[in-house]
Amino acid sequence: QITLKESGPTLVKPTQTLTLTCTFSGFSLTTNGVGVGWIRQPPGKALEWLALIYWDDEKRYSPSLKSRLTITKDTSKNQVVLTMTNMDPLDTATYFCAHRHVAYNFFDPWGQGTLVTVSS
Amino acid sequence: DIQMTQSPSSVSASVGDRVTITCRASQGISTWLAWYQQKPGKAPKLLIYAASSLQSGVPSRFSGSGSGTDFTLTISSLQPEDFATYCCQQGNSFPLTFGPGTTVDIK
Repeated sequence: QITLKESGPTLVKPTQTLTLTCTFSGFSLTTNGVGVGWIRQPPGKALEWLALIYWDDEKRYSPSLKSRLTITKDTSKNQVVLTMTNMDPLDTATYFCAHRHVAYNFFDPWGQGTLVTVSS
Repeated sequence: DIQMTQSPSSVSASVGDRVTITCRASQGISTWLAWYQQKPGKAPKLLIYAASSLQSGVPSRFSGSGSGTDFTLTISSLQPEDFATYCCQQGNSFPLTFGPGTTVDIK
C-alpha cells in the first residue's frame, strides 16, 4: 500500500523560505518510472502543479514558479523535499505531495495535504 | 501552457441520475488526460487515466471518453458518495495543468 504524508510549517512570514517534506512508503524512488510530485490548492481554488521529481533525478518545475522552487529526494529516508523561496500571502494554500502513476504524469495516491498560511 | 476548461462549473443532480462533465484542452493532448474526484477537506482521488482507463478500485459507474481536445467524464447512476468536485488534468506536456473543477451537488 502506497502512502504519502506532508510535513512542514503551517505558518510562514512573507519573504521567508518554505520547506516541505513528503515522507512516503510502499514504493521506492529508485525504481524505474517512479516519481513524486507537489501540487497546491489555494482555499476555494483550483489545483496547481508545482514540481515533479523522477527516479533518475530528473526534475520538472512549473515555469511560473521555477525560480523559487527546488525539489530534491532522499531515497534512504523515502523523502522528497520541496523548498519555495520568497513566500507571499498569495502562496497560502494546501500543499499536496503525490505518487506519479507508473506510466503517466498523473498522480495516485496523494498525501492528505498540509495547509500553509503566509502572513506576518 | 495548455489551458484546461470544464463545463458546467456546477451541476445539481439526484441519486440515480446520469451526470456528464466535459473537459476541454486548449490544444490537442491525445489521450493524456486524467479525472480526479475531490471531497471537501480531502485530497484528490484518481478516477480515470489515459482518458478512458478506470483506476483500480474505482466503481464501474465512472467512465471517461475523448481524445484530442474534448473529453467527458460520465457517472452512469449517481450515488450519495459521488457528490464531490471533479477535475481534469492533462499529462501531455509540462507544465502539467488542471481544470477548474465541476461541483456535483444534491438537487
